[in-house]
This record gives sequence, C-alpha cells and structure tokens, in this order.
Amino acid sequence: AQSVSQHNHHVILSEAASLELGCNYSYGGTVNLFWYVQYPGQHLQLLLKYFSGDPLVKGIKGFEAEFIKSKFSFNLRKPSVQWSDTAEYFCAVARPGTYKYIFGTGTRLKVLA
Amino acid sequence: NAGVMQNPRHLVRRRGQEARLRCSPMKGHSHVYWYRQLPEEGLKFMVYLQKENIIDESGMPKERFSAEFPKEGPSILRIQQVVRGDSAAYFCASSPLGLAGGTTDNEQFFGPGTRLTVL
Repeated sequence: AQSVSQHNHHVILSEAASLELGCNYSYGGTVNLFWYVQYPGQHLQLLLKYFSGDPLVKGIKGFEAEFIKSKFSFNLRKPSVQWSDTAEYFCAVARPGTYKYIFGTGTRLKVLA
Repeated sequence: NAGVMQNPRHLVRRRGQEARLRCSPMKGHSHVYWYRQLPEEGLKFMVYLQKENIIDESGMPKERFSAEFPKEGPSILRIQQVVRGDSAAYFCASSPLGLAGGTTDNEQFFGPGTRLTVL
C-alpha cells in the first residue's frame, strides 16, 4: 500500500535558522507531490506542488522542495525561517488524475522569535 | 476569501449523539472530498462526492457514517451514535475537476477542518 513518511514530528528552530523537513513515499509509479501548511486556526494551504519537469520546485513564502526520484523523497526547505512560519506542515502524494491523496502525519514547526 | 468553508470549527458531542459536519466548496467547484485525521496520524481519505452523487466511499467506516452533497446547499458528513474513537479532525476539500480524463492536475483545496470531540 502507498504510504508517506514524515520523520520529524516536532521541530523547533530559532528565527533565521534553515529548515529542511523530510518526506518519503512508497510508490513505484508516477506521482504528484504536494506540501501543505496549516497555520493555527486556518485552512490547509498549498505551499507547492510537483507534477513534472524541473525537480526543484519553488513555492510561496520562500519555500522550495526537491523531488529526488531515486530516493522517493520530496523534502521541503527554507533557507531562513521566520516566527510566522510556525505551523503544521503536511506532505501528500497522489497518482496523476486521481483524487485520493495519501498524507504524511505532519510536522509541527515552532519558530522561536 | 471564497475558500472552502467548514462549520462548525469545533464540535463536542456525548457518546450516542449525532454529529453533522458541513462543507461548502469553493465557488465553481462541484467535487468534494472528505478526509479524517485521527490523533497522531495523517489525513485519510473517506469519501468523494459530486452533486447528488457519491463517487467513492471506500474510506468510510461501514456503519454510522454517511455523506451527501445535495443539489443545493453544503455537503454534509453525518456520524450517528458517536463513540470516543470518532474524535478527530475532519477536513473537506474541493476541486473544479474530478476524474476528468487525461488531466494530471488533481490539486484539491482544503477547508480549515472541524475538530470533533466525543465525551
């Protein structure tokens, strides 16, 4: 069965620190990949997505992610976090043209001012 | 912001009561998906609906859970005779396209979720 692993459940960083959140999936075929963020009390918001093409994807708010097919990974990065990045981050995978997203368990990021 | 709306945001029920969760999709979207997030787990697909049709309910528990998306009004996820194990966050998502042939863009737009607590 398909699965998505987010190994870091809780991450605490100081402002200006660099961020990398891991996401690995188990599925051998073509996949679409997503990172969502949920700020406290708000809806899940799409940060970035990968369907095809350049494996380095730029998203909103300075986030980027790199798709490494050989490692089945889609790690999220940001060179310098801000206090406002405090949120929960979800990685999701779906086969193209399908609607069943497979989500990871999420990573709670806390950024200390 | 005409995003996906869910209400209530928080719902408390006693064991045996009914819970009704509502979802209004984004304007122009006619495809709705419900997901459940149990504590310490990722969101899991429950059901996919179009207007007046259930397309896929393979993720729904077999008993006590039902979903509808009427011609008018929001989509409703209904849980009868709730138990403590139903305590979770329930997310709704919508998309403008469903299983449209050939499309690879399957982005879904999510609401803020309803947090159900069963006492």
